[in-house]
Amino acid sequence: GENVEQHPSTLSVQEGDSAVIKCTYSDSASNYFPWYKQELGKGPQLIIDIRSNVGEKKDQRIAVTLNKTAKHFSLHITETQPEDSAVYFCAASYNNNDMRFGAGTRLTVKP
Amino acid sequence: DAGVIQSPRHEVTEMGQEVTLRCKPISGHDYLFWYRQTMMRGLELLIYFNNNVPIDDSGMPEDRFSAKMPNASFSTLKIQPSEPRDSAVYFCASTVADRGEQFFGPGTRLTVL
Repeated sequence: GENVEQHPSTLSVQEGDSAVIKCTYSDSASNYFPWYKQELGKGPQLIIDIRSNVGEKKDQRIAVTLNKTAKHFSLHITETQPEDSAVYFCAASYNNNDMRFGAGTRLTVKP
Repeated sequence: DAGVIQSPRHEVTEMGQEVTLRCKPISGHDYLFWYRQTMMRGLELLIYFNNNVPIDDSGMPEDRFSAKMPNASFSTLKIQPSEPRDSAVYFCASTVADRGEQFFGPGTRLTVL
């Protein structure tokens, strides 16, 4: 089955700096790669996703890149703000089902 | 749209008791997922349904766990008997085919003493 590894487990940045979180996956059949943000006491919420036929996707300050050959994908947050502080999860799945999550990255943005 | 609804939000029970967690997916969604989140194991997929039919329950830890979806608007996850190691936050999520994004409920925090 799919195995997703995520790094780093914690990340602390200064407000305004960029943050990068990286994930690798094992199953070459995986074709859907979402990123979720989880705030304290809440369920994860999708912030951006990418499918295997696309190499990069951007939404305002958030971007995701995918390297299918190397089986890794990354989340980039620019101009970080204190409200970006949360736990971020990457995930991988085949056709949206049986989604496997990374272990999570706790991002802290210091004002 | 109320989103995915889970109840109860918090459950404290004693070892050996039966626990039932409930989920109401978003109307019109045909996939429903149950996850468990712990510090040690992260977010784990337990089981998922498509059109009320269980598709993959390989993540269910053992026979003490069971899940049902009697209709499109309701699902339960039952633990009987419960054990302290079952303490976790249990999430329900739903989606529609080909959408990709799973919509998570607020979770049920289960504590087994």
